[in-house]
Formats: sequence, structure tokens, C-alpha cells
Amino acid sequence: KAGVTQTPRYLIKTRGQQVTLSCSPISGHRSVSWYQQTPGQGLQFLFEYFSETQRNKGNFPGRFSGRQFSNSRSEMNVSTLELGDSALYLCATAREITGELFFGEGSRLTVL
Amino acid sequence: GDSVTQMEGPVTLSEEAFLTINCTYTATGYPSLFWYVQYPGEGLQLLLKATKADDKGSNKGFEATYRKETTSFHLEKGSVQVSDSAVYFCALSYNQAGTALIFGKGTTLSVSS
Repeated sequence: KAGVTQTPRYLIKTRGQQVTLSCSPISGHRSVSWYQQTPGQGLQFLFEYFSETQRNKGNFPGRFSGRQFSNSRSEMNVSTLELGDSALYLCATAREITGELFFGEGSRLTVL
Repeated sequence: GDSVTQMEGPVTLSEEAFLTINCTYTATGYPSLFWYVQYPGEGLQLLLKATKADDKGSNKGFEATYRKETTSFHLEKGSVQVSDSAVYFCALSYNQAGTALIFGKGTTLSVSS
């Protein structure tokens, strides 16, 4: 079956711009969570959506936001980009109860 | 706040050697614990998990036991193979569903023949 699909895979932005990343979950998965991966901080949890509602939130500033649509697809948005936002953004989806996350390949954001 | 600490790598072993990757955690309550693995060129995938104290998770010859008294979840394998070369991440969940994870920094394992 199709895996978790993230788009775009690579993008370059400049400071002050905003960016929107998309994640299409595996069919039947209603939980979508987002992670930021950097060499210095490792993998950090951003937020999780379930049935279009934000269910959990990590410790990131309000510039980072997300949403989930009725078909479980999710988007995350970062406004007023800073150099430190350069990272690999990973989306992970799950079927409720199993406790297993399935990760996409990520969207690599470079902020210049 | 909750956190996960795992040994820094890289860990370099010869084939058939014994592997231990240490992982300790700090958490309020009783989180579920996980090991995720990232093979070269692939995405993160679940290796094993344990949901309560004294549970042992196992998969592909790897094992880890949830030790509440030492707040640890060390990963072990009796005989590693070259194909085990990967980055290993220890994690805890701070929600019941196991969908919101706090990860350790990752440990790179390199196995040579």
C-alpha cells in the first residue's frame, strides 16, 4: 500500500517568507504528527492532529502551525522564516491504538 | 519536562558482536517506550516497543526491557549483522496513543564484516 507522502521534498526560502508543507497519510490513518529534525537538536515533536483537531503540541513558537483536512491530509505552515528553521520536516501517521508511527521521507527546508 | 538520553555514537562493531545501546528517560507518569531505526536511504521505522514496566519488546533479534526502577530501555542484540548498520532512536510517548514522541538524539551503528 502507498506510504506517507510528503511534498515538496526540497525547498529553499529566504528569511521572512512563509512556507507550507503537505502530508498525505496512509489510507485509514487518522493521526498525523509533525517533527523537525536538525543535526543539533535531533528530532523534535511539533504537533499532532487527529480527526481535524490538534491533539498534542510540542514546544515551538506560534510561527509554526498546522491543520488537518477531512480526508486526514495535513499541512504545516511556518511563517516569518528564520535561518534556524532550516531542517528536515518529517510527517508521521498512525492508525489509532497500534502505537506505531509510519514516517514519510520528509521535506527538506533551507532558509537563506 | 520529559526527555530521553541515549548514548552517543558512532558505535562500530564487527559482525556477530554483541550490541548494547543505552537509553534512559525522564518522565512524569508511565510513558510507552520505543526504539525506531533509520536504515541508510530509508525513512524511520518502528523496531520495537514496550508499554509498561517490565515489558520486553523484541523484533529482528533486538530486545529491550522497560525498567521503571532505573528509568531505562536499553537496546540489545546478541549477534549483529552488517545489515543492522543504521541510526537507532530511543523514544517515549507522552500521549496514550503513542503518536506524540520525544526522541533521543540517535545512535549510529556501523557493523563491518
